[in-house]
Amino acid sequence: NAGVTQTPKFRVLKTGQSMTLLCAQDMNHEYMYWYRQDPGMGLRLIHYSVGEGTTAKGEVPDGYNVSRLKKQNFLLGLESAAPSQTSVYFCASSYSGSFYEQYFGPGTRLTVT
Amino acid sequence: AQSVTQPDIHITVSEGASLELRCNYSYGATPYLFWYVQSPGQGLQLLLKYFSGDTLVQGIKGFEAEFKRSQSSFNLRKPSVHWSDAAEYFCAVGARGSQGNLIFGKGTKLSVKP
Repeated sequence: NAGVTQTPKFRVLKTGQSMTLLCAQDMNHEYMYWYRQDPGMGLRLIHYSVGEGTTAKGEVPDGYNVSRLKKQNFLLGLESAAPSQTSVYFCASSYSGSFYEQYFGPGTRLTVT
Repeated sequence: AQSVTQPDIHITVSEGASLELRCNYSYGATPYLFWYVQSPGQGLQLLLKYFSGDTLVQGIKGFEAEFKRSQSSFNLRKPSVHWSDAAEYFCAVGARGSQGNLIFGKGTKLSVKP
């Protein structure tokens, strides 16, 4: 049981490049979330999904897109990366009955130069 | 709007000493409250939660927290800190009616002196 995994662990992009971060969970959780963590800012919710095929915006959605084509996967896309998107990205998942009890992945450190 | 304040950015305690990390929240009704811990280079792990009922809640790793409505606080405590407790601690509030939208504080980094 791997829990929540994230791919890749590290990535460096140039401004304007695109990339996709993959989150996978094997706990059969209905809900999945993407957060970003910046120094001194805590975690902020980017997008979330309450089920396969559904997504919703969080607190800081601009510049990101997401897709949930399969229940176990939640993808976060950056279409045109900007230096302001340099951050550590965390994926989390939860059961629909206790959606605040979230299980987090190990994070992806993204640097945009 | 909901918000969470953790007044202490960094705290250092000696191993074996007691610990209290402060958390204040702003929310119109009784919130759902959480403490998460993040070890270096790791994701977050849930320590404990408060939904309703007994205002003193027990969590994992010997931690407890007390909800005080009059002070809008949810402080985390541990009677005797171990070196392995060195980590960053995040308080979070969940808005009733939302679908898991947690509002996190900025975190308190705990260092433990031998």
